[in-house]
Amino acid sequence: QTVVTQEPSLTVSPGGTVTLTCASSTGVVTRDSYPNWFQQKPGQAPRALIYSTNYRHSWTPVRFSGSLLGGRAALTLSGVQPEDEAEYSCLLLSNGSYVFGTGTKVTVL
Amino acid sequence: QVQLQESGPGLVRPSETLSLTCAVSGFSINSGYYWGWIRQPPGKGLEWIGSIYHSGKSYCNPSLKSRVTISVDTSKNQFSLKLTSVTAADTAVYYCARSFDYWGQGTLVTVSS
Repeated sequence: QTVVTQEPSLTVSPGGTVTLTCASSTGVVTRDSYPNWFQQKPGQAPRALIYSTNYRHSWTPVRFSGSLLGGRAALTLSGVQPEDEAEYSCLLLSNGSYVFGTGTKVTVL
Repeated sequence: QVQLQESGPGLVRPSETLSLTCAVSGFSINSGYYWGWIRQPPGKGLEWIGSIYHSGKSYCNPSLKSRVTISVDTSKNQFSLKLTSVTAADTAVYYCARSFDYWGQGTLVTVSS
């Protein structure tokens, strides 16, 4: 079964920029994997941020952007705010099944 | 506004069947999208369980496929999950979602005797 790997943890300063990536064990991630990104804070349900690689939901702040980068899906947070500290998970469609990534803990410090 | 609410027993005995229902409000299941179940063991990552279309066509995680049944009741605007032969490894917060954009708050299901 496909394994989707993310950085375990990243630290960013307030106002800074950080990029998270999402890699698939099957190879290059493309738009056909329909990458999604989610934010989850402790004790809360995941909140959808990005779908189909780079489309924001109506509630997603513009400082969150999705892309493809070096064969991976990527989520870039620009102008990071303290409230962006959270766990971020990606989701890929692979061989007809959805697979979540391992998650990245983003610390704003 | 689309809202989803999971319901079901919080404790299930090993080898028995876990049954959950997701009630949808603010949107008709018949209007489209797919409706799914996701779980998260304590302190771990998210795992897709399966999804179903309003037509009744369903897709499941291959690792769980033999134990999972997902069904939809459009007359009640809800969909359900059954997971058979549960073990402690099935202890998790179970979420329902609409095409991964709108999520329920989640319900903790513990498998224990």
